Amino acid sequence: KQEVTQIPAALSVPEGENLVLNCSFTDSAIYNLQWFRQDPGKGLTSLLLIQSSQREQTSGRLNASLDKSSGRSTLYIAASQPGDSATYLCAVSSSGGSYIPTFGRGTSLIVHP
Amino acid sequence: DTGVSQDPRHKITKRGQNVTFRCDPISEHNRLYWYRQTLGQGPEFLTYFQNEAQLEKSRLLSDRFSAERPKGSFSTLEIQRTEQGDSAMYLCASSKRQDFSGNTIYFGEGSWLTVV
Repeated sequence: KQEVTQIPAALSVPEGENLVLNCSFTDSAIYNLQWFRQDPGKGLTSLLLIQSSQREQTSGRLNASLDKSSGRSTLYIAASQPGDSATYLCAVSSSGGSYIPTFGRGTSLIVHP
Repeated sequence: DTGVSQDPRHKITKRGQNVTFRCDPISEHNRLYWYRQTLGQGPEFLTYFQNEAQLEKSRLLSDRFSAERPKGSFSTLEIQRTEQGDSAMYLCASSKRQDFSGNTIYFGEGSWLTVV
């Protein structure tokens, strides 16, 4: 059974800092990995999708990397802004089955001015 | 593309009552998922459909829960005889069938359930 862990659980930083959020998974036979953002009381917004054959994806100030062999992904946020404050969730779809995404508990990020 | 739509957004019900949530996926998305999320936790998988077929159900989906997706379009999630432990946000998501292109999953805004 796939298990997904996200570290740290919470993070508070001043505006302008570069951040790294971590996601680890136990079964390296993955199909893809997706990073989401969730604002309080809201649904999830997709940020980046990395296929198992890729090593990284970039969108604006966000960069996600994937290392299947070590079971890790990182989300890098450059020049953080107060508007980046949210919970960031990692979801892993395992191959060889029904590809159902398994989520971590998320990292709660606060960027203060 | 109007996104995934869920209704109602909020529901307060008394213990023992039945509730039903509706999800309208993105058109032409043939996969539809239901998840449950409580405070401080990540979403937990409940069930998913490929077109109208319910292909997998989690152990979290007790006998009091039932989901349908008639004609492979919208879906409903019904909870019978609600309990306080059912209080959570119920999230619906949809995607195209998973293939080698690794399709993105899109979520709705969720339906909050409070059982009093």
